Amino acid sequence: AQSVTQLDSQVPVFEEAPVELRCNYSSSVSVYLFWYVQYPNQGLQLLLKYLSGSTLVKGINGFEAEFNKSQTSFHLRKPSVHISDTAEYFCAVSVLQGAQKLVFGQGTRLTINP
Amino acid sequence: DAGVIQSPRHEVTEMGQEVTLRCKPISGHDYLFWYRQTMMRGLELLIYFNNNVPIDDSGMPEDRFSAKMPNASFSTLKIQPSEPRDSAVYFCASSLVGLRGAQYFGPGTRLLVL
Repeated sequence: AQSVTQLDSQVPVFEEAPVELRCNYSSSVSVYLFWYVQYPNQGLQLLLKYLSGSTLVKGINGFEAEFNKSQTSFHLRKPSVHISDTAEYFCAVSVLQGAQKLVFGQGTRLTINP
Repeated sequence: DAGVIQSPRHEVTEMGQEVTLRCKPISGHDYLFWYRQTMMRGLELLIYFNNNVPIDDSGMPEDRFSAKMPNASFSTLKIQPSEPRDSAVYFCASSLVGLRGAQYFGPGTRLLVL
C-alpha cells in the first residue's frame, strides 16, 4: 500500500518570499507523483506531475517540484509567492501499474501575508 | 472542454431525506471517482468506476450511500436517508488511463444536512 505524508499542516509566509511545501511518500512499488491546489470553495486543480525523466518538474503558476527517489520526497517550491497563492495544497501518488487511484496527503494550508 | 460538471453546487436538506448528487465527467475519460471532503477527515475516496463498472467501493461509509454510472457521461451518488454527519463537500473527478493517474476534479457539491 502507498501512503503520503505532508509534513506541515499550515505554512504562513510573507508575500514575495520563497516557500517550500514538503511531501514524503511510502511505497513498495514505483509511483507517479502529483501536486494539486485547492483555492477556497473550489475543486482540486492539477498543479504539476512527475511521471518519469527529469526529477525537476515545472507546473502552473511558477511552482516546481523535485522528485528525490532516495529520500522518497516530492517537495513543492516557489521562489516568490503572491497573495493569490493562498490555498490548500495536496500531494498525491498513484502506482505505475494497476488502478488509477490516487492516494492523497492530508494537505498543507499556505497562507500569504502582505 | 467544459471540464467535470457537478450538480447541484449547493444542497440543503433535512435529516432523513434522500439526496442525489450528479456528475458529468470529461468526454472520453474512462475513470470516474467520487470523493468526500470534511475538515475532520480530509479528502476521502468513496468509490470509483472504470468504463462504467464500479471497481472499488470500499470507501463508501455505509449502506445509506450508493453510486451508479449508467453510461459514460453520467454518474450519481445517492444518500438515503441522509444524516447530519453526511454534511460535507462531495467531489467528482475523472481520468483516462493514458493520464497515468492524473485526475480532473469538478467544482464540488456542498451538502448540508440539518
